[in-house]
Amino acid sequence: EPEVTQTPSHQVTQMGQEVILRCVPISNHLYFYWYRQILGQKVEFLVSFYNNEISEKSEIFDDQFSVERPDGSNFTLKIRSTKLEDSAMYFCASCRYIQETQYFGPGTRLLVL
Amino acid sequence: ELKVEQNPLFLSMQEGKNYTIYCNYSTTSDRLYWYRQDPGKSLESLFVLLSNGAVKQEGRLMASLDTKARLSTLHITAAVHDLSATYFCAVGDTDKLIFGTGTRLQVFP
Repeated sequence: EPEVTQTPSHQVTQMGQEVILRCVPISNHLYFYWYRQILGQKVEFLVSFYNNEISEKSEIFDDQFSVERPDGSNFTLKIRSTKLEDSAMYFCASCRYIQETQYFGPGTRLLVL
Repeated sequence: ELKVEQNPLFLSMQEGKNYTIYCNYSTTSDRLYWYRQDPGKSLESLFVLLSNGAVKQEGRLMASLDTKARLSTLHITAAVHDLSATYFCAVGDTDKLIFGTGTRLQVFP
């Protein structure tokens, strides 16, 4: 069964450093998302991506964040200058149509020191 | 702004008992999802509810949707230990999901 994959599974970085989180969505899906979950809290929407552009972004997704789909299969989230409060689990998700299930990847646990 | 509330936040129940988790949301939506999350793991899709009165069942879990009341329920029948997890409802808002606070379920013998 196709699944969303994410790399790395864990990343530790120093405050102020840049990180890139990578995702490979399910191949015939059209909508791509990043969500994050701070430990013990609910899942928060960051950004949605459709037709090679951002369709919506949350207040969390400020100028330090960017997304890219560089080669038609990978979908990346870049944080330019990490802050302590960026420490969270970051989930990539994809779906074929809006009315269908969003499938979530296994997540990348980011720790900013 | 769409808000999604779940209750209870924490539920400890004995094996064999029944219980219901409630999900209320603040504005109209045409899609309601239920996900399960095990500790340290990702979100596993359980149900997608797309219309008023929709009811879906899988094993000991049954989900329903009342769009007029802006309420969804997840009913657990004869709970077993394997159902211990955190359950999230999520409401569709444009193309994104807005998640509830989650209900942490613990089933004990």
